[in-house]
Amino acid sequence: IAGITQAPTSQILAAGRRMTLRCTQDMRHNAMYWYRQDLGLGLRLIHYSNTAGTTGKGEVPDGYSVSRANTDDFPLTLASAVPSQTSVYFCASSDLAGGHTDTQYFGPGTRLTVL
Amino acid sequence: QKEVEQNSGPLSVPEGAIASLNCTYSDRVSQSFFWYRQYSGKSPELIMSIYSNGDKEDGRFTAQLNKASQYVSLLIRDSQPSDSATYLCAVKGSARQLTFGSGTQLTVLP
Repeated sequence: IAGITQAPTSQILAAGRRMTLRCTQDMRHNAMYWYRQDLGLGLRLIHYSNTAGTTGKGEVPDGYSVSRANTDDFPLTLASAVPSQTSVYFCASSDLAGGHTDTQYFGPGTRLTVL
Repeated sequence: QKEVEQNSGPLSVPEGAIASLNCTYSDRVSQSFFWYRQYSGKSPELIMSIYSNGDKEDGRFTAQLNKASQYVSLLIRDSQPSDSATYLCAVKGSARQLTFGSGTQLTVLP
């Protein structure tokens, strides 16, 4: 059972380049999320998707876009990377039952450095 | 004011002691509360969830919730060096998304 996989594990990127972080889950969870984690700031929500075909903006969406073509995949795209997007990115998923039992499970993370 | 605040660390306790981690939140309609543990360089993993006022125990871990005071805590009894990690408090509020605190780094000294 893989759970959630993310790729790449780490990446060094030149500013201005386009980058897509991949996230795949095999738990058939309907909801998926992208967070960034920066020292001293905790986890901040970038974008989320409650079900395939829908997406929403989180706390820090600027400079990022997402798509949710199917249940399993939720890629995060940086159209033109900037140094302030240097961070560790975590993808998560949950079984959004509508109540308060939607525990989020996290992928292993992608460490991104933008120079 | 941050939506979810955790007591500033780092926190150090001797092995076998009780570690107390605290969290306050600002959204009064919050209904779901979670504690995640994150080892250095790893992803967060769920330790406890709590939804009702009072205590919830799971092994050496006890979560305490007081909605009137907008306060949730995590107690770790008989702390072990393997408990050394950053503990993240997360709250599901009116926006139905999780908001995380910045975390408290715990070190259990052998």
